[in-house]
Amino acid sequence: DTAVSQTPKYLVTQMGNDKSIKCEQNLGHDTMYWYKQDSKKFLKIMFSYNNKELIINETVPNRFSPKSPDKAHLNLHINSLELGDSAVYFCASSRGRQGSTGELFFGEGSRLTVL
Amino acid sequence: GQNIDQPTEMTATEGAIVQINCTYQTSGFNGLFWYQQHAGEAPTFLSYNVLDGLEEKGRFSSFLSRSKGYSYLLLKELQMKDSASYLCGAGSYQLTFGKGTKLSVIP
Repeated sequence: DTAVSQTPKYLVTQMGNDKSIKCEQNLGHDTMYWYKQDSKKFLKIMFSYNNKELIINETVPNRFSPKSPDKAHLNLHINSLELGDSAVYFCASSRGRQGSTGELFFGEGSRLTVL
Repeated sequence: GQNIDQPTEMTATEGAIVQINCTYQTSGFNGLFWYQQHAGEAPTFLSYNVLDGLEEKGRFSSFLSRSKGYSYLLLKELQMKDSASYLCGAGSYQLTFGKGTKLSVIP
């Protein structure tokens, strides 16, 4: 019954590795997002994806790439992991574009630790 | 650009009222949002203001002044469970959050 689910919840890996985080929503929403929350708890938008339109935050390194096989899924792939990538990554979804409805539904977060 | 500013920390007493302020400057604006985030959990939606004025929802109210780029979240009859971070967010197609205000409710 989980509305927005992400896996894995915890991920520990070595610098230089490639990893993916998966996200699925069963709310029938049109737009999905990835947010990064660092150790200072600053929640920062990375991507939004609506009807095959991808909006990328310009500060996101191109080592990060979102992949959406269908409207209900938005996965996050990260290449060549760096220490600074350690954070909690939140997937979220909304009905329509963000701002038109106001409410984001967040997944539980995936805590990535890069050693 | 996007700039959202809110206090880093606040402390209030159980049963009291607390107001958390937020000022914003965004390149697009479709509304002002407040989210609550308990430690180790995901943010959850509290309120959405698109027009000026006060929106009340139970113990929580949110106010918006678009001309001033200002909002506040008012929490009444504080309970211990209200201890959390409160995130102010604004923007158009992509919601930008402030750094959050960590509220500690003490007995």
